[in-house]
Amino acid sequence: QQPVQSPQAVILREGEDAVINCSSSKALYSVHWYRQKHGEAPVFLMILLKGGEQKGHDKISASFNEKKQQSSLYLTASQLSYSGTYFCGTADNAGNNRKLIWGLGTSLAVNP
Amino acid sequence: GAGVSQSPRYKVAKRGQDVALRCDPISGHVSLFWYQQALGQGPEFLTYFQNEAQLDKSGLPSDRFFAERPEGSVSTLKIQRTQQEDSAVYLCATAGRGGSYEQYFGPGTRLTVT
Repeated sequence: QQPVQSPQAVILREGEDAVINCSSSKALYSVHWYRQKHGEAPVFLMILLKGGEQKGHDKISASFNEKKQQSSLYLTASQLSYSGTYFCGTADNAGNNRKLIWGLGTSLAVNP
Repeated sequence: GAGVSQSPRYKVAKRGQDVALRCDPISGHVSLFWYQQALGQGPEFLTYFQNEAQLDKSGLPSDRFFAERPEGSVSTLKIQRTQQEDSAVYLCATAGRGGSYEQYFGPGTRLTVT
């Protein structure tokens, strides 16, 4: 089952914060977040394994709530370079941890 | 090489032609994935290799699609008798051993079937 991402699109001014959600109807083992800029390949941001851990990468962090089968990506004090499409990829067990089912993406535009 | 490379970057094929798309992985990466990405969509899993073994091909949309990785390095995705619905960007991604789950993507091949 494809995870559902929300919102579909976000427009921010530089310095503002945003939250992107990724929800699944199936129990999840892991959630992977990637960012793709227009015309470029997706780039890895972070992976969260079941256990409700939170990770961070500069001013981008994420949480994973297994019970809710949901992950959220937090972008703090957004920079122009954060613009792009954010995808979550999910795996429902350790054996499939590399075979990911991807959401449709959330388009983020950060304006000066 | 420094990253995953794919060739060609762009391919225009007439309906019914066969195409071959190449992926050169990062040296030493055992896992290799092919994805299909339609415009405005997320990547869709096609197939997965661990070394030369094709462990999962459940995402290949039809028997016109075939992938191989004979020596566990370079991989080729072949599409026979291309159809217009095959038009998409084909992404290759590779990953290293053990607990390294990060997938490194190539720039993709944009296939347009006319």
